[in-house]
Order: sequence, then C-alpha cells, then structure tokens
Amino acid sequence: GEDVEQSLFLSVREGDSSVINCTYTDSSSTYLYWYKQEPGAGLQLLTYIFSNMDMKQDQRLTVLLNKKDKHLSLRIADTQTGDSAIYFCAESMNTGGFKTIFGAGTRLFVKA
Amino acid sequence: NAGVTQTPKFQVLKTGQSMTLQCAQDMNHEYMSWYRQDPGMGLRLIHYSVGAGITDQGEVPNGYNVSRSTTEDFPLRLLSAAPSQTSVYFCASSSGTGGVGYGYTFGSGTRLTVV
Repeated sequence: GEDVEQSLFLSVREGDSSVINCTYTDSSSTYLYWYKQEPGAGLQLLTYIFSNMDMKQDQRLTVLLNKKDKHLSLRIADTQTGDSAIYFCAESMNTGGFKTIFGAGTRLFVKA
Repeated sequence: NAGVTQTPKFQVLKTGQSMTLQCAQDMNHEYMSWYRQDPGMGLRLIHYSVGAGITDQGEVPNGYNVSRSTTEDFPLRLLSAAPSQTSVYFCASSSGTGGVGYGYTFGSGTRLTVV
C-alpha cells in the first residue's frame, strides 16, 4: 500500500544546512510536497515538485527527487532558529488527482 | 482573505456526545479535506470533497460524517464521540488543476479531547 516514511528528529546548528529525507512507495505519485508546521498551527505548504522533475530550488530551499529510489529530500541552507518546526513530506496519488498521503513528520531542532 | 477557518479551536466532549467541527474557506476552492493528526502518525485522511454535493471517504472515516452543500463550507460531524477520536483535526482546501497538484491550504486546527 501507499506509505511515506521520514525520520522523526533532526538537530542542526544555526547557520548549517539541514537535510530532511523522505521515502515513498507509490510510483504513480504525481506531485510531492514539503509542508512546515509550527507549534499550535496548521501545516503550511513550503514547496512542491512534479514527479518528472529532479530538482527545484526556491531561495534557501532545495528539493531533490530521485524517482528511481522513490526518495525525496529537502535541504534548508543557512538554517535559522525560526526554521525549528515539524516538516512533513507528502505525495499526491494519480487516482483522480486527489488523494494525498503524509509522512509522520520530521521535527527539526536548530541550536543557536 | 481569511483562507481556511476552523471552529472551535478547542473542544472537550464526553463519550457518546455528538458535535460538528466547522470549516469554511473563502478562496473558491473546489477540493476540501478533513485530516486528523495523532502523535507519530502524520495526518490521516477522514473524508474529502471534490465539489459541492460530492463527498467520499478517506482512510479513517468510521465515526464521522460530512456534507458539502456549498463550495465554502465542509463541516465534520462526530456521531457518538469516543476516546479514540481524541486528536487534532485539520481542514484543508485546494484549487490545484487536476486535483491537489498545487498543494493544500490548511486551517489552524481543532484540538478535540474526548473523556
């Protein structure tokens, strides 16, 4: 069945790069996403990548997609304390274009 | 432009009580969904709608009902609350072409405790 897996925790020092990894199982995924959740808030869409792309860059964020290995990563350059949050990977199925499966989230700790 | 508005933000129910979680969006989005978030489990889809008058079940629909009489509103009803329904509930909407391609806009959530 469909599944999205992420490691639960990541700790980095302020100014370093963070890399959050995700694996997914459904080869028919059309879009893959990264969402950010701050304490007490809903999820905020950070970026998305279409499944026929390998990389997408948006300011400090770089998304890499390895479709052969079903591996998605999010790199945050120059990580700041304000980046501390939970980051969710998600995939959108090509089943009427609607079903989206989320991972359990990676909690990023940024140490000053 | 308020985005996705959920009410209430917090609720405590007794086992067996019923209630409705409200969700409204002002972005004219066709697609709306309800998710629940439990520790270590990510978000699980309860019900979704691809337009007014059309709803369907997600992964964990048991114990919940939905309706979509207007584009703007997508309420979630708990029929007879159980402690297993203690969770944080998120409503989300999307206007993505061909589905949720461009991602969801989420509400701020409703934290529900069933005692």
